[in-house]
Amino acid sequence: GAVVSQHPSRVICKSGTSVKIECRSLDFQATTMFWYRQFPKQSLMLMATSNEGSKATYEQGVEKDKFLINHASLTLSTLTVTSAHPEDSSFYICSALPPGRGSYNEQFFGPGTRLTVL
Amino acid sequence: AQSVAQPEDQVNVAEGNPLTVKCTYSVSGNPYLFWYVQYPNRGLQFLLKYITGDNLVKGSYGFEAEFNKSQTSFHLKKPSALVSDSALYFCAVSSGYSSASKIIFGSGTRLSIRP
Repeated sequence: GAVVSQHPSRVICKSGTSVKIECRSLDFQATTMFWYRQFPKQSLMLMATSNEGSKATYEQGVEKDKFLINHASLTLSTLTVTSAHPEDSSFYICSALPPGRGSYNEQFFGPGTRLTVL
Repeated sequence: AQSVAQPEDQVNVAEGNPLTVKCTYSVSGNPYLFWYVQYPNRGLQFLLKYITGDNLVKGSYGFEAEFNKSQTSFHLKKPSALVSDSALYFCAVSSGYSSASKIIFGSGTRLSIRP
């Protein structure tokens, strides 16, 4: 149980285009999902917290107009990188937290999406 | 503010030897501590967590971690390393006083087990 999927696993796009990444909880409902960014050989940086049915909470320094997050259902959150540029190239990872779970419960992570912007 | 430090970028151990991956933390309030493992181009897999109770926590794949409140540490250990344990390990911390469920990750330690 507790499987989280991401789609696509890898995407290459041209500079200036927008890219949508999906995060799905396959066997549980997730009221809260998180989006992380990971640079090569570095740690995960939390970008935003996505709550079902409400606006995402962005971390300081993350542009909300550039990284659009939508959590339209209890099993799906999407991250759209708008007008992508080469510096947006990174590994994007989502995680999900089942409902009623607090900060003492482990998150379940997706396999990640490798974005390359040419 | 919460923070977590992993002082070693890389740890090299011979197969069969014990291993330790270090982690120290700083939180206001009670710490909730986690260890995750990441294999190449994959997401993170949960290994173990400390919430309360026994300071020695046992987790997946034979790993364990010891919570030390006075030293604010949560080192990951395994009595006998396997080559398959080679991966990137992240320590993470959350605070019981946090209004959100977010956790903060350390910088990661690459564990390399040589045959």
